[in-house]
Amino acid sequence: EIVLTQSPGTLSLSPGERATLSCRASQSVSSNYLAWYQQKPGQAPRLLIYGASSRATGIPDRFSGSGSGTDFTLTISRLEPEDFAVYYCQQYGSSPQTFGQGTKLEIK
Amino acid sequence: QVQLQESGPGLVKPSETLSLTCAVSGYSISSGFYWGWIRQPPGKGLEWIGSIYHSGSIYSNPSLRSRVTISVDTSKNQFSLKLSSVTAADTAVYYCARGGSGSYRHYFDYWGQGTLVTVSS
Repeated sequence: EIVLTQSPGTLSLSPGERATLSCRASQSVSSNYLAWYQQKPGQAPRLLIYGASSRATGIPDRFSGSGSGTDFTLTISRLEPEDFAVYYCQQYGSSPQTFGQGTKLEIK
Repeated sequence: QVQLQESGPGLVKPSETLSLTCAVSGYSISSGFYWGWIRQPPGKGLEWIGSIYHSGSIYSNPSLRSRVTISVDTSKNQFSLKLSSVTAADTAVYYCARGGSGSYRHYFDYWGQGTLVTVSS
């Protein structure tokens, strides 16, 4: 199975700053089938990005995804207070689909 | 708006079978898409359990496959999960979700709120 490693484990930033989250796969992700989710405490994950770079319905354009093969990035251009949460990547190109361990984005 | 709601016992004894149902509203399961189960142990990450199509086609995680049964009831617009021979390691929040791509290779675009299942005697 494909192992996804997210870095950093925790990212401390201030509102208004730019956030860059990384997701590295142990082997190439087929068709760049890579998604990103945001999860706040006590809530279900929320889909942000699919297909590595396509924003899900209703997601603000400050969220963007990029990358291909084994290296993928989620960028939040200008952090809003509501963006502080845990972010997960997921590959769904190969079975079993797998998730990364998460990056916690916290307020500095 | 697509909505999903998990239901089932919050406490299961070791060695018994965990049973959960996901009721879907706002979309007919018969119309398509895969419908999946994902779990999250307390304080940990997400693990895909398996997904089912309305026709009954199932994909599941090999790590759980021998213990997992997923079924769909299109007449009730719901799908279900059974996990047998549970241990404390199966304690988690269980989510049901819709596979958004319409393919067996799918992300999840709509999620239930999740239900905590604790395995304990």
